[in-house]
Amino acid sequence: DQQVKQNSPSLSVQEGRISILNCDYTNSMFDYFLWYKKYPAEGPTFLISISSIKDKNEDGRFTVFLNKSAKHLSLHIVPSQPGDSAVYFCAASLNFGNEKLTFGTGTRLTIIP
Amino acid sequence: DTGVSQNPRHKITKRGQNVTFRCDPISEHNRLYWYRQTLGQGPEFLTYFQNEAQLEKSRLLSDRFSAERPKGSFSTLEIQRTEQGDSAMYLCASSLLGGTGNIQYFGAGTRLSVL
Repeated sequence: DQQVKQNSPSLSVQEGRISILNCDYTNSMFDYFLWYKKYPAEGPTFLISISSIKDKNEDGRFTVFLNKSAKHLSLHIVPSQPGDSAVYFCAASLNFGNEKLTFGTGTRLTIIP
Repeated sequence: DTGVSQNPRHKITKRGQNVTFRCDPISEHNRLYWYRQTLGQGPEFLTYFQNEAQLEKSRLLSDRFSAERPKGSFSTLEIQRTEQGDSAMYLCASSLLGGTGNIQYFGAGTRLSVL
């Protein structure tokens, strides 16, 4: 049972445009969500997170939106830069991050110069 | 470098051999997690510790797998009688329990290849 789903395996975006990565979840008990970025041969790097008590969190070029009723979150990157090319994983947790993470399968983002 | 450190980075072994991986978490972190990632998948939870206590184990963790964190600092993950299906990236993460919005920080992983 895949509790966290990223339905787009890949996404290509022109440099300077907005990248939007999507994630859906099925477990309504999840209350903390994170996005990680992963380069080849490296571990996941934390990018941004959001608690279920919020619907938006922003950090520089990165914004995460949470729609609890739809059990959907999205990551917006604007403007997209070549260094953003990586695999992005959505993850969810219980107890505001004090439990194990459940990951999606990832979306490979390619920024086209 | 005060991040999560994992050793070795790569391990090649023959089927049936035992292997052991080590993880050194961020020094003040009291939670330590092990995940496994296979090609095309996201990391999957294996087990986690709070200090030296192992609090949860996934059903993915067969009896050939054992993890320890003897003094609440570094952790080891041992796989006995390795099988080809054990080939994967093994990731360690650490976090600081308490408050809200705790973030797990990952190491670079140990890539295991079972021949």
